Amino acid sequence: NAGVTQTPKFRILKIGQSMTLQCTQDMNHNYMYWYRQDPGMGLKLIYYSVGAGITDKGEVPNGYNVSRSTTEDFPLRLELAAPSQTSVYFCASSLTWGDTQYFGPGTRLTVL
Amino acid sequence: QQQVKQSPQSLIVQKGGISIINCAYENTAFDYFPWYQQFPGKGPALLIAIRPDVSEKKEGRFTISFNKSAKQFSLHIMDSQPGDSATYFCAANGGGFKTIFGAGTRLFVKA
Repeated sequence: NAGVTQTPKFRILKIGQSMTLQCTQDMNHNYMYWYRQDPGMGLKLIYYSVGAGITDKGEVPNGYNVSRSTTEDFPLRLELAAPSQTSVYFCASSLTWGDTQYFGPGTRLTVL
Repeated sequence: QQQVKQSPQSLIVQKGGISIINCAYENTAFDYFPWYQQFPGKGPALLIAIRPDVSEKKEGRFTISFNKSAKQFSLHIMDSQPGDSATYFCAANGGGFKTIFGAGTRLFVKA
């Protein structure tokens, strides 16, 4: 069981570029989440999904998009990267709503 | 906006000492209170969790104390070790609401 995997581990983007952060889980969890963690701050929910084909906004969705075509995958798309999107991004999954969340190792993104 | 307020922001404890981190919540519908531990460069991982039907839960050196009337819960790390140095997040969820995380506490245990 690999759990939750994320790629890439690190990425540097120029302002205005786009990229997709990949997230895959092999625990057959219906619920998946994307968070960002800024230095010294807690976790802010960007988007979440309650199952394939169903996504919803979290606290800080602006500048991001998601899709969920399969149970396993939940990619996060950044369009027109801005310096304010410099952060560490974590993907997580859970079996049920409100259950323990299992986090991936994170992607450290820098936008210059 | 539902919040979970966590304190202190950072904590330095001598090896063998007790580390105490506190959290307070607002939403009385919350019924699950996990603590996550995050080491540098890693994702958070569940450390210990409690539901409001008990006032205390202990797992090894880690204990959660829960005060339902005060809407507060805390993490106690007994006999703190340098390997416990990490960031700790409290969280709360339940009643159909999303999980809300505290801002985190950076713990450093001095050898």
